[in-house]
Amino acid sequence: DAGVIQSPRHEVTEMGQEVTLRCKPISGHNSLFWYRQTMMRGLELLIYFNNNVPIDDSGMPEDRFSAKMPNASFSTLKIQPSEPRDSAVYFCASSFRSNRGYTQYFGPGTRLTVL
Amino acid sequence: ELKVEQNPLFLSMQEGKNYTIYCNYSTTSDRLYWYRQDPGKSLESLFVLLSNGAVKQEGRLMASLDTKARLSTLHITAAVHDLSATYFCAGEGGKLIFGQGTELSVKP
Repeated sequence: DAGVIQSPRHEVTEMGQEVTLRCKPISGHNSLFWYRQTMMRGLELLIYFNNNVPIDDSGMPEDRFSAKMPNASFSTLKIQPSEPRDSAVYFCASSFRSNRGYTQYFGPGTRLTVL
Repeated sequence: ELKVEQNPLFLSMQEGKNYTIYCNYSTTSDRLYWYRQDPGKSLESLFVLLSNGAVKQEGRLMASLDTKARLSTLHITAAVHDLSATYFCAGEGGKLIFGQGTELSVKP
């Protein structure tokens, strides 16, 4: 399996622009998570889905952030409009819930820079 | 709500020495996870500890779980430079709740 796939790997944009991050989870996994990591705030869970349904979006910082999972093999995280404080590494992770836990497998991340 | 705290947050070790990273959590957590992150890289799963008394070992790393004390430890034996990374523990509270991470630097 190719693992969790994220695109783009790097994104540089200007303040006010729309940014869309994409994620393809591992086939067969039923949970998907979006995280943000910065030096100041560490690793933050933004939102997660079970079976394509958003379960907890309490970590989404503002209405400027939105996430969708139209099917089991694809999710997007959109920021509109983007601001410099959104600069961070955004990770997508997927897992399969079972009685042996649900180890999350992380993608390579998207490094976002908002100028 | 589950809270997870690690200590120390920074650890500078000499090669060949032993040390332990501690992970405390505030409420019941069914399972405990350990991850490793190399600089500029993603997080990689190391261990899943499923029950009280669980112990897992791989190479120079050994993780254990004491659910009664709400404590997990990651023990490093005879550290080598290749172990330099940031180590995260995470508890289950409906979702994974990560600790702040322990940045480990192993020096010759």
